[in-house]
Amino acid sequence: GESVGLHLPTLSVQEGDNSIINCAYSNSASDYFIWYKQESGKGPQFIIDIRSNMDKRQGQRVTVLLNKTVKHLSLQIAATQPGDSAVYFCAAPYSGAGSYQLTFGKGTKLSVIP
Amino acid sequence: EPEVTQTPSHQVTQMGQEVILRCVPISNHLYFYWYRQILGQKVEFLVSFYNNEISEKSEIFDDQFSVERPDGSNFTLKIRSTKLEDSAMYFCASSVAGDQPQHFGDGTRLSIL
Repeated sequence: GESVGLHLPTLSVQEGDNSIINCAYSNSASDYFIWYKQESGKGPQFIIDIRSNMDKRQGQRVTVLLNKTVKHLSLQIAATQPGDSAVYFCAAPYSGAGSYQLTFGKGTKLSVIP
Repeated sequence: EPEVTQTPSHQVTQMGQEVILRCVPISNHLYFYWYRQILGQKVEFLVSFYNNEISEKSEIFDDQFSVERPDGSNFTLKIRSTKLEDSAMYFCASSVAGDQPQHFGDGTRLSIL
């Protein structure tokens, strides 16, 4: 099955700085990846996704980079704000024909220092 | 923006009792999911549901668990005889298609005493 994980359990950044959250995956057949944000007491909130035919995708203040060679993806948050403080998860569907269950990493807790 | 809603937000139940967790997925979504998150651990997949039947389930989803879409809007998870280790946050999610982003509700915190 898929295994996703994150390099750092916690990340502290100054307000206004850029944040980079990393994630590694194990299954080279994975073709779809999603970043979620989870605030305390809430469910995972979809941020951005990327498919394996892309290397980069940009959203509002967020960019996801996918490096299929080393099976690594990252989430970059520009001009980090206090409201960005949360746990961030990368997730990938379990590889298998017609399988859409998500496998989550353990999460990186982002703390924004005002 | 449409969202997945879950009720109740917190459920306290005696061990051995039955519990039903309720979810209203986003209205035009066709795929429905249940996940759980034990405190301090990863979000884990339980079951997916499409076209009125279970499409996938994990090892966690044993005979004590069942899901149902009793009408056109609700999606429920039933645990028949709860155990202490069922204590967790249970998240419902839905997606418009299987290979599209899953959108999550804010969860039900289930506490088994």
